[in-house]
Amino acid sequence: DGGITQSPKYLFRKEGQNVTLSCEQNLNHDAMYWYRQDPGQGLRLIYYSQIVNDFQKGDIAEGYSVSREKKESFPLTVTSAQKNPTAFYLCASTPRGGNLYEQYFGPGTRLTVT
Amino acid sequence: EDKVVQSPLSLVVHEGDTVTLNCSYEVTNFRSLLWYKQEKKAPTFLFMLTSSGIEKKSGRLSSILDKKELFSILNITATQTGDSAVYLCAVEALGAGSYQLTFGKGTKLSVIP
Repeated sequence: DGGITQSPKYLFRKEGQNVTLSCEQNLNHDAMYWYRQDPGQGLRLIYYSQIVNDFQKGDIAEGYSVSREKKESFPLTVTSAQKNPTAFYLCASTPRGGNLYEQYFGPGTRLTVT
Repeated sequence: EDKVVQSPLSLVVHEGDTVTLNCSYEVTNFRSLLWYKQEKKAPTFLFMLTSSGIEKKSGRLSSILDKKELFSILNITATQTGDSAVYLCAVEALGAGSYQLTFGKGTKLSVIP
């Protein structure tokens, strides 16, 4: 079955540690996105990538980093510089030339930093 | 800066009631407005609206867009407990060379038996 996999579903880390969230898709989509969602808030764009080896900052990129070495994978690293990392993180992808309403979402990772 | 505002932020109704959720926006280079349903996991796509006045319907849900007044409404008739969720409005607009989504904070709908 085609889809987007995010792992783990729940992640706990101590303050000051970097943590990497995984996002893998087997939909052959070109574009991939990372969003952050806080309680009572909508989704906010962290980073996105239209093609392999290229990515752009979204609205709230500070304290995060990404890589896009393979089409299928778009990992997100939450660095110790991110002041409030506890949140729900969603990865998404769209096909080449596709509209954003065609965006597929992964199941999400809930990150808790204490 | 693009902005999407949803109201109310939360709503509690009884089964069978009809509800109207609101979404207003201020964006440049508008392309479409999207509605999603989110139940403690990833959002599920409901509607895409691009033109004013054309009502989109799916069962008990319907939505309409007013591009002149810059708002959209989502109606749910004969609500059921399964409609309890957060409803997100997002606007697709061109920014920094590609289309992006700007989300509102959502309306949390609770339907009680």
